[in-house]
Amino acid sequence: KAGVTQTPRYLIKTRGQQVTLSCSPISGHRSVSWYQQTPGQGLQFLFEYFSETQRNKGNFPGRFSGRQFSNSRSEMNVSTLELGDSALYLCASSPGLVLAKNIQYFGAGTRLSVL
Amino acid sequence: AQSVTQLGSHVSVSEGALVLLRCNYSSSVPPYLFWYVQYPNQGLQLLLKYTTGATLVKGINGFEAEFKKSETSFHLTKPSAHMSDAAEYFCAVRAGLGAGKSTFGDGTTLTVKP
Repeated sequence: KAGVTQTPRYLIKTRGQQVTLSCSPISGHRSVSWYQQTPGQGLQFLFEYFSETQRNKGNFPGRFSGRQFSNSRSEMNVSTLELGDSALYLCASSPGLVLAKNIQYFGAGTRLSVL
Repeated sequence: AQSVTQLGSHVSVSEGALVLLRCNYSSSVPPYLFWYVQYPNQGLQLLLKYTTGATLVKGINGFEAEFKKSETSFHLTKPSAHMSDAAEYFCAVRAGLGAGKSTFGDGTTLTVKP
């Protein structure tokens, strides 16, 4: 069974641009979560989608948005990029809504550099 | 509210030595606890988890962790370190429904010396 696939793996953008990251969950998984990982802030939760609906959201500005399609694939969009958005963006999938004991499976991430 | 503290951002051991990575948590409800490993340029891989029941949890790659409620700790151990164990390790606590209820520690980088 294929794992969580994130594309692209690396991305370089300039300030003010926007970017879209993609995540394909494990087949059969319906929950997709996004995280931002930086050396200074560590791992921070962005949002969780289940059945095409955003179920949970972290404390990020409205420039960060996402969506989930009927096949459970998810995209994350960041508009008006800032230098501080440079990070590793991780996607994780889970069979259902992330209940307390459910396992999340992480992708390898997209490394975004904002110049 | 919940939080996780990983004591020691860097731990160095010799190959064959005991690995001990410390994690303390706080949670207002009974927590579920996780340890993940992250290799360079990779995502997080689950090592082990504590939900309920036995407080000594065995995971992959020879790692285990013990949930100690009285000490609010969930330290990760491995009797004998291998070079391949060099990575960053994250402790996480989840106390509710939803991925957003997960809180991750800052991570501990494990170096294994030959």
